[in-house]
Amino acid sequence: GIQVEQSPPDLILQEGANSTLRCNFSDSVNNLQWFHQNPWGQLINLFYIPSGTKQNGRLSATTVATERYSLLYISSSQTTDSGVYFCAVYWDGNYQLIWGAGTKLIIKP
Amino acid sequence: DAMVIQNPRYQVTQFGKPVTLSCSQTLNHNVMYWYQQKSSQAPKLLFHYYDKDFNNEADTPDNFQSRRPNTSFCFLDIRSPGLGDAAMYLCATSRDVAPNTEAFFGQGTRLTVV
Repeated sequence: GIQVEQSPPDLILQEGANSTLRCNFSDSVNNLQWFHQNPWGQLINLFYIPSGTKQNGRLSATTVATERYSLLYISSSQTTDSGVYFCAVYWDGNYQLIWGAGTKLIIKP
Repeated sequence: DAMVIQNPRYQVTQFGKPVTLSCSQTLNHNVMYWYQQKSSQAPKLLFHYYDKDFNNEADTPDNFQSRRPNTSFCFLDIRSPGLGDAAMYLCATSRDVAPNTEAFFGQGTRLTVV
């Protein structure tokens, strides 16, 4: 089956810093989503981005489907950005989301 | 705002005592999912409904059951909770099944078994 790998596994930054989170996948995908899981456990949709680039405020994402990766950019980090960031994909071989292991982000004040 | 709502946010149950978690949605989506998430892990799909059609994952324990009485509501029943069932339970919806669909999650129910 498809493998989804996220890097780095952990990231600690000072408030105001920028960061790039990466998601690699081993096969062609139909759909890719980025989620933020806050410290209370809620999964928040960030981007639905099977290909191309999208921006939402300080966050942006780029998926290069032909090269099998997606990047999530966070600029001017705030403490509320802390949590775990997951990417998840749908691919032809399965009907369910296949998840990466997540990147745990800690933003220090 | 259209959304996915889970109740309760926190649930404490006794070992072996049946417990029910609920999920409602105002998105009018056809598909509803239940996921289990243990600490520091990605969510794991337990089952999903496409409309009234129930789909159970092969490795979902028989201890877990689900009901979807109408489009808006879905319930997760744990018949005899064990200590290993303590986890975050997440409900999600999507307009259609994969692949060209987007999933939306509720805020989760954190289950503690004592």
